[in-house]
Amino acid sequence: TQLLEQSPQFLSIQEGENLTVYCNSSSVFSSLQWYRQEPGEGPVLLVTVVTGGEVKKLKRLTFQFGDARKDSSLHITAAQPGDTGLYLCAGATTSGTYKYIFGTGTRLKVLA
Amino acid sequence: DSGVTQTPKHLITATGQRVTLRCSPRSGDLSVYWYQQSLDQGLQFLIQYYNGEERAKGNILERFSAQQFPDLHSELNLSSLELGDSALYFCASSVLADTQYFGPGTRLTVL
Repeated sequence: TQLLEQSPQFLSIQEGENLTVYCNSSSVFSSLQWYRQEPGEGPVLLVTVVTGGEVKKLKRLTFQFGDARKDSSLHITAAQPGDTGLYLCAGATTSGTYKYIFGTGTRLKVLA
Repeated sequence: DSGVTQTPKHLITATGQRVTLRCSPRSGDLSVYWYQQSLDQGLQFLIQYYNGEERAKGNILERFSAQQFPDLHSELNLSSLELGDSALYFCASSVLADTQYFGPGTRLTVL
């Protein structure tokens, strides 16, 4: 059972545009992470959000954790071709057996 | 460079065979995680070891097994390989469970 749904699944935009990627769940997470993965490489951790309502900024990337700690969003301002990649949210469930779950992924392509 | 190393980078083998994938975690990291990534299944958590002991199990098949050695490196053993086992296998290590550093992966192709 996939607990973390990401949307959109695919996104192709022009350089300079803004975009938002969503990560949703019906489960509560103690924290959520966002990773970026490039073809043939392992995911690279971008950020961890811990507190409900928390907002973190990493240059042109803004991450938000939902108040109820069930969802998160990633907003990219003025996207650049270097932002191209697979974006994954992930988190550990707080109920039952420990499981670290990855989202379904959003494949972003930024065209020059 | 995450500091996590994986060998080999590529592996091509035949159905029914057995292979071993190796992972060396970042210096000081006690936890090692194994993941399988395929096009249709995304990134799937297989198993976690902490300081030599199994800590958590995910969607790991009975044909697969892993262990973590006293020097903290880990091996993932895949046996009776099937075509559907072809995938990227990643190892990650961490100090804290929610901050994982991934290796470059091993691409397994089963023919």
